Amino acid sequence: KNQVEQSPQSLIILEGKNCTLQCNYTVSPFSNLRWYKQDTGRGPVSLTIMTFSENTKSNGRYTATLDADTKQSSLHITASQLSDSASYICVVYTRNQGGKLIFGQGTELSVKP
Amino acid sequence: KAGVTQTPRYLIKTRGQQVTLSCSPISGHRSVSWYQQTPGQGLQFLFEYFSETQRNKGNFPGRFSGRQFSNSRSEMNVSTLELGDSALYLCASSLDKPGAKNIQYFGAGTRLSVL
Repeated sequence: KNQVEQSPQSLIILEGKNCTLQCNYTVSPFSNLRWYKQDTGRGPVSLTIMTFSENTKSNGRYTATLDADTKQSSLHITASQLSDSASYICVVYTRNQGGKLIFGQGTELSVKP
Repeated sequence: KAGVTQTPRYLIKTRGQQVTLSCSPISGHRSVSWYQQTPGQGLQFLFEYFSETQRNKGNFPGRFSGRQFSNSRSEMNVSTLELGDSALYLCASSLDKPGAKNIQYFGAGTRLSVL
């Protein structure tokens, strides 16, 4: 069954600290993996997209890694800011069934001052 | 460039009623996808339209339907509303297929409450 599992479900960190969010997937065949940030009351915003051949991609203080062999991805946030408080969603795209995006449940990150 | 616009932002309906939600994609984007988001289920894919044709469909009952117009604007309709339909409905547009490295741009969503 095609699934995307994220951990932890929620996380609280202090401003200025780093954190890492995890994403494990069983989607096959794999085409690409993306991370989204969703602020409360807003739609998700794309942070990174990685294909099979890419194992690291950065977007400012956000760095995503991908290990296609172990089917794991992580999103590392450096020097967190209060504005990083949001839900982070991992999504895997498969070309199966005409092309489908499989969404994880998200990790709720709260950055405290 | 204007983003994806969804209207209305908030909606309150009662069980049994029907509702129509609207989505205007980014200019030039021909693919529009709809999603339902609930705290328990996360984001669930409803359907995707491209050039007025439904190209892909999720696992939702027939009460959920949609369409796309020649200007790429899209509407989704939910008939015979149930309490469980209360959710945030998100629309996303992209140049082409939402996968394959085409970035999807999401609207702010329509918050539907069914009483």
